[in-house]
Amino acid sequence: QKEVEQNSGPLSVPEGAIASLNCTYSDRGSQSFFWYRQYSGKSPELIMFIYSNGDKEDGRFTAQLNKASQYVSLLIRDSQPSDSATYLCAVGKRSGATNKLIFGTGTLLAVQP
Amino acid sequence: DGGITQSPKYLFRKEGQNVTLSCEQNLNHDAMYWYRQDPGQGLRLIYYSQIVNDFQKGDIAEGYSVSREKKESFPLTVTSAQKNPTAFYLCASSITGNTIYFGEGSWLTVV
Repeated sequence: QKEVEQNSGPLSVPEGAIASLNCTYSDRGSQSFFWYRQYSGKSPELIMFIYSNGDKEDGRFTAQLNKASQYVSLLIRDSQPSDSATYLCAVGKRSGATNKLIFGTGTLLAVQP
Repeated sequence: DGGITQSPKYLFRKEGQNVTLSCEQNLNHDAMYWYRQDPGQGLRLIYYSQIVNDFQKGDIAEGYSVSREKKESFPLTVTSAQKNPTAFYLCASSITGNTIYFGEGSWLTVV
């Protein structure tokens, strides 16, 4: 079992719709969770992080965390073609004072105009 | 500008050669990391460093070496022992224990 699992997609949604991206993790002791967006050929850029159960909203993005079920999701409202990218879920793993991130393989999102 | 600078952006390596990828940050971050990305495999941790003159192996350290002589710099050497080095290499940094930020990446190809 992979430590962080994502559906590779592609997830195709029409412009203006809500895109829902999901991620599950295996280490029940994980404390920090991150979503990164990666355009083709570019480096990942941070979208959101979440530490507590529940929802966290930032503009069109909402991260949802359920530690009991060990999943974290990212909702993108009013999806735009510019949102088309690979979305990487990452889970923080403490190693001493350092927070190592374990990444999923990413979900490719395609927003259709 | 504050940020993480990787160079070169594109690098070609001949069989049997060692090559070094540069990573410099001016964010005053304590921790620095090197990740490798292959198609369909996500990001895998090669090495990380929490403080100057100290670093730890990640999940795929074989065939790689690093140094951390200055807080700002964390170069990665891909040695001839790395049999399949063609990949996208990402340097990252963070204030220890917090969010990781990435440089723009370096593409390494074996020719």
